[in-house]
Amino acid sequence: IQMTQSPSSLSASVGDRVTIACRARQAIGYSLAWYQQKPGRAPKLLLAASSKLQGGVPSRFSGSGSGTDFTLTISSLQPEDFATYYCQQYFSTPFTFGGGTKVEIK
Amino acid sequence: EVQLVESGGDLVQPGSSLRLSCAVSGFIFGDYAMHWVRQAPGKGLEWVSGISRTTGSLGYEDSVRGRFTISRDNAKNSLFLQMNSLRAEDTAFYYCVKDIGSSGYYFDYWGQGILVTVSS
Repeated sequence: IQMTQSPSSLSASVGDRVTIACRARQAIGYSLAWYQQKPGRAPKLLLAASSKLQGGVPSRFSGSGSGTDFTLTISSLQPEDFATYYCQQYFSTPFTFGGGTKVEIK
Repeated sequence: EVQLVESGGDLVQPGSSLRLSCAVSGFIFGDYAMHWVRQAPGKGLEWVSGISRTTGSLGYEDSVRGRFTISRDNAKNSLFLQMNSLRAEDTAFYYCVKDIGSSGYYFDYWGQGILVTVSS
């Protein structure tokens, strides 16, 4: 199942609200996870089941969507949030990731 | 503390074979599915293969099917990836990844990654 993220990159300032979109080529229900990856580090799980925040993840992160269209929102961007974000579908194998969205400092 | 430590990465020539290993600790290995995810330098994430807790394969990414084989040894808390007929496009960091469940969902713990370079 092809996963398409948009935009591929964005520039934002601390305090901005940021939204990242992820679209699945076919319906995947709520079987979507979001990861954050910083340079030189392994990815970190942020949300699963489209909107379920994982333990220890700040509440400024939220997710929504079902079927084919999903969004990750950061309500107020913090300095530590500058990273690359990936969506991943686990509806069926082969599991697939979106191409990533790099959030850069404006 | 959950730990996943990959080993076996190397610089090899096209057509060669390599076996990656992942030693895990900090959780009951036999209760969870496990995966390999790779990332070419400067590129995005790509799921390579997964295996259920009972050693049943969850499948392979199209480009590695028939060349790579995933396996596990629950008694030794270890995950493996046998890679044959390696190609330049297999060059990547390979991450050993723990599933949140027993049969394949999403990934809650990742190793630090091990570099495989395929080049003549």
